[in-house]
Amino acid sequence: SAVISQKPSRDICQRGTSLTIQCQVDSQVTMMFWYRQQPGQSLTLIATANQGSEATYESGFVIDKFPISRPNLTFSTLTVSNMSPEDSSIYLCSVVTASYEQYFGPGTRLTVT
Amino acid sequence: AQTVTQSQPEMSVQEAETVTLSCTYDTSESDYYLFWYKQPPSRQMILVIRQEAYKQQNATENRFSVNFQKAAKSFSLKISDSQLGDAAMYFCAYNLDSGTYKYIFGTGTRLKVLA
Repeated sequence: SAVISQKPSRDICQRGTSLTIQCQVDSQVTMMFWYRQQPGQSLTLIATANQGSEATYESGFVIDKFPISRPNLTFSTLTVSNMSPEDSSIYLCSVVTASYEQYFGPGTRLTVT
Repeated sequence: AQTVTQSQPEMSVQEAETVTLSCTYDTSESDYYLFWYKQPPSRQMILVIRQEAYKQQNATENRFSVNFQKAAKSFSLKISDSQLGDAAMYFCAYNLDSGTYKYIFGTGTRLKVLA
């Protein structure tokens, strides 16, 4: 199994600012992902965080808005840049272990005012 | 493009009764995985049950079972002997068997369990 922690668990930010969300896993994992869950909606994949290289973004998401880092096999960050109220969402980190099991983090609830 | 549809935004069930949550999906692929995830108020997504498309036998995990109809592209979740702790958002998800582990989620069904 994998235990995932995210920091912060929630934050309230002003528009135009940026927030970096951290995802830490208690063991080395094969793959790491970032999802967004907008209020009352489902989860949408933002990107795959690649270790040591640029993230792979899904359609509708760009690096300038959501820069992602993954310096090692247990840690990743997602930055939400130049925030607007439309970025208010829950952001979830997800991992796949070497045994191909997938786990989700507890999420970061972001409110942009 | 693959899509996942959950047509029931909210369902209610009496404690100890049985409830079925519906999910349909659209894909042109033959090999894929389907999942039901539970998201309680704590937001932690928990895998409830998983079904491989190549398996005809319906998956079962204790009180949770699925009715997988591949031709109809239907994947419903049955919860037997419902408990108060079953109250949560339930998401149906699809994953193409390509090793990418990228999920497509439905919009969710909020399950209320009445004492």
